[in-house]
Amino acid sequence: DAGVIQSPRHEVTEMGQEVTLRCKPISGHNSLFWYRQTMMRGLELLIYFNNNVPIDDSGMPEDRFSAKMPNASFSTLKIQPSEPRDSAVYFCASGELYEQYFGPGTRLTVT
Amino acid sequence: KNQVEQSPQSLIILEGKNCTLQCNYTVSPFSNLRWYKQDTGRGPVSLTIMTFSENTKSNGRYTATLDADTKQSSLHITASQLSDSASYICVVSAGSSYKLIFGSGTRLLVRP
Repeated sequence: DAGVIQSPRHEVTEMGQEVTLRCKPISGHNSLFWYRQTMMRGLELLIYFNNNVPIDDSGMPEDRFSAKMPNASFSTLKIQPSEPRDSAVYFCASGELYEQYFGPGTRLTVT
Repeated sequence: KNQVEQSPQSLIILEGKNCTLQCNYTVSPFSNLRWYKQDTGRGPVSLTIMTFSENTKSNGRYTATLDADTKQSSLHITASQLSDSASYICVVSAGSSYKLIFGSGTRLLVRP
């Protein structure tokens, strides 16, 4: 298995633009997670899906952030409009009970 | 408040030497504790996972210990290699298995 796949790996955009991050989880995993990592705050859970249904989105910072999982093999995290403080590395992870497998991350820079 | 604290923040050792990283947690209810290794520019990779009843678990040159009474864990790296240079993150699961509390990590640099 190729592991969790994320795209793009790097994204540079201007403030106000829409950004869409993509994730393909490991086949057969029922759970999918989006995380954000910054130097100041470390790793933070943004949203958790189970069987394609959002279970916990309490970590989503504000309405500018939205996430979807239309099927078991694809998820997106969208930021609209983006702001410089959104600059971070965004990780997608998929998993089974007691284990999460992280993707390589998308480094987002908003100028 | 659920918290995971790690020490030291950073560590430099010579190749071939051993080292121990520390993790203290105040998480309730406790479910399990994990150690992750994160190489620069990559996602975290799980090294070990321990439940309440487990005191020690090994993964090659990595050995994790857990003292549930004192709420402390350690990660011991034996005979360090240059490839061990990375951040090591202690993560505790609180209650529901998906809720992870992350430590801020220990950045390890192994020098030749």
